[in-house]
Amino acid sequence: DGGITQSPKYLFRKEGQNVTLSCEQNLNHDAMYWYRQDPGQGLRLIYYSQIVNDFQKGDIAEGYSVSREKKESFPLTVTSAQKNPTAFYLCASRDSGYSYEQYFGPGTRLTVT
Amino acid sequence: AQKITQTQPGMFVQEKEAVTLDCTYDTSDQSYGLFWYKQPSSGEMIFLIYQGSYDEQNATEGRYSLNFQKARKSANLVISASQLGDSAMYFCAMRELNNAGNMLTFGGGTRLMVKP
Repeated sequence: DGGITQSPKYLFRKEGQNVTLSCEQNLNHDAMYWYRQDPGQGLRLIYYSQIVNDFQKGDIAEGYSVSREKKESFPLTVTSAQKNPTAFYLCASRDSGYSYEQYFGPGTRLTVT
Repeated sequence: AQKITQTQPGMFVQEKEAVTLDCTYDTSDQSYGLFWYKQPSSGEMIFLIYQGSYDEQNATEGRYSLNFQKARKSANLVISASQLGDSAMYFCAMRELNNAGNMLTFGGGTRLMVKP
């Protein structure tokens, strides 16, 4: 089955530690996105990538970093510079040549204490 | 200014009745697209329906329809014959033409609760 996987579902870290969230897709989509969701709110774009080895900052990129070394993978690192990292993180992908719909993964809930 | 506004933080609907979730948007682009996503308590985002700004007909997908009023800049979601499984958060989102990455801007969401 094609889809997007994010692991783990729940992640706990101590303040001051960097943490990397994984996102893998086997849909052969060119474009991938990372969003952050805070309780009771909508999604905000962190980073996006339209092609391998290229990515762009979204609205709230400060304190985050990404890489896109392979088409199917778009990991997000939450660095210690991110002042309020506790949130729900969602990864999405899109078939850039076919439609505008973004397909989402199940999300990772990160708690930093 | 907010690009996507959902004014109903929460709504109740009786099972089997229809419900309308409001969404207004703000853009100066002529070409754009509007989406509705459903987010159950498990967290994943499920695509429901899409409306392009040049589409002449309102989009429909099963029990979901989009009431698109371009002059009013509104794109309300109508769910017919509500089911208990429709209880979830619903998000309206927009893609603008002047947006090289085809990024989506989301509204704050509406929590729908279906009563048995």
